[in-house]
Amino acid sequence: GIQVEQSPPDLILQEGANSTLRCNFSDSVNNLQWFHQNPWGQLINLFYIPSGTKQNGRLSATTVATERYSLLYISSSQTTDSGVYFCAVPKTSYDKVIFGPGTSLSVIP
Amino acid sequence: ETGVTQSPTHLIKTRGQQVTLRCSSQSGHNTVSWYQQALGQGPQFIFQYYREEENGRGNFPPRFSGLQFPNYSSELNVNALELDDSALYLCASNSEPSTDTQYFGPGTRLTVL
Repeated sequence: GIQVEQSPPDLILQEGANSTLRCNFSDSVNNLQWFHQNPWGQLINLFYIPSGTKQNGRLSATTVATERYSLLYISSSQTTDSGVYFCAVPKTSYDKVIFGPGTSLSVIP
Repeated sequence: ETGVTQSPTHLIKTRGQQVTLRCSSQSGHNTVSWYQQALGQGPQFIFQYYREEENGRGNFPPRFSGLQFPNYSSELNVNALELDDSALYLCASNSEPSTDTQYFGPGTRLTVL
């Protein structure tokens, strides 16, 4: 089955710093999502991005489907950005999602 | 628009017991998926229900079962609980199985003693 890897596994940032999180996947996909899980466990959709680039405020994401990776950029990080960031790809065309292992981000004041 | 809700928020059971977790999908969504998230890991797909029928299943034993009701709410049932079943159980809904975005509920944290 499809494999999903994320790097780095852990990241500590000073407030205001920028960061790039990476997601690699082993097979072609027609869907990729980025999620943020806050410290209370709530998973929040950040982007649905099967290809191309999208931006939402301080966050942006780029997926290069032909090279099987996606990047999540966080600019001017804030303490509320802390949590775990997951990328997820479908297992089949019916969007049964496989999650990567996550990147745990801590933003310190 | 009402989001995905789950109940209860926390639950403690003992080994061998049975548990039922509940999920109300987002308004207008007919597809519900359940995930198990062990501590420090990403969520793992358990199964999906679409219009009251199971529409795919992950690598979980038969003691994990589910239901979807005509109003598209759903239940996850786990029989003969084991210690390793302790996890955060997440429910997600989307408008059709093939649509792009799933919306997640806040989860139920199950502890098996």
